[in-house]
Amino acid sequence: DGGITQSPKYLFRKEGQNVTLSCEQNLNHDAMYWYRQDPGQGLRLIYYSQIVNDFQKGDIAEGYSVSREKKESFPLTVTSAQKNPTAFYLCASRRSSGALWTGELFFGEGSRLTVL
Amino acid sequence: AQSVTQLGSHVSVSEGALVLLRCNYSSSVPPYLFWYVQYPNQGLQLLLKYTSAATLVKGINGFEAEFKKSETSFHLTKPSAHMSDAAEYFCAVSELDAGGTSYGKLTFGQGTILTVHP
Repeated sequence: DGGITQSPKYLFRKEGQNVTLSCEQNLNHDAMYWYRQDPGQGLRLIYYSQIVNDFQKGDIAEGYSVSREKKESFPLTVTSAQKNPTAFYLCASRRSSGALWTGELFFGEGSRLTVL
Repeated sequence: AQSVTQLGSHVSVSEGALVLLRCNYSSSVPPYLFWYVQYPNQGLQLLLKYTSAATLVKGINGFEAEFKKSETSFHLTKPSAHMSDAAEYFCAVSELDAGGTSYGKLTFGQGTILTVHP
């Protein structure tokens, strides 16, 4: 079945360490997104990519980095510069781009990062 | 920038009662609007969407929402709550460029946790 796979589901790291969260999709979607979720704050956009080798900062990009070397993959690195990295991270993708966008984002199951 | 406000971070209903989750948005042009549901430690699942067709939108699991431009609202309703409806619900609005084309960025509300009592 097609879908979005995020790994790991749970991750514990010491303060000051960089961590990379994986996101892979087999839906043949062009665009991919990373959101951060904190209790009571909804979802906030970190980075998004509409095509391979191109990505844009979202609302809270500081302390994060991404790459988009393949259409299927959009890994997120949480760097030591991120002041409060403990959160639930959600990866999403969408079916098409530009004026033909259908509106629906497909989400992965999420990765919960806890910094000790 | 567009924004979404969900009124009430927690809503509690009895099984069989009406569910009403409120969402108001701000936008200078007619937006695309969405409701998503999230169960604990899972991703988000689309319930329904408004994309400038019919103002009353029906979704999965018996939910529906009505787009009211004059009130800038997109409230989610279900006539009879089930225990399985207990989850967190998010309203979201698409971001459009100056030409009114959407590029897929969604702005989410803060979420409403729905509790269903037996």
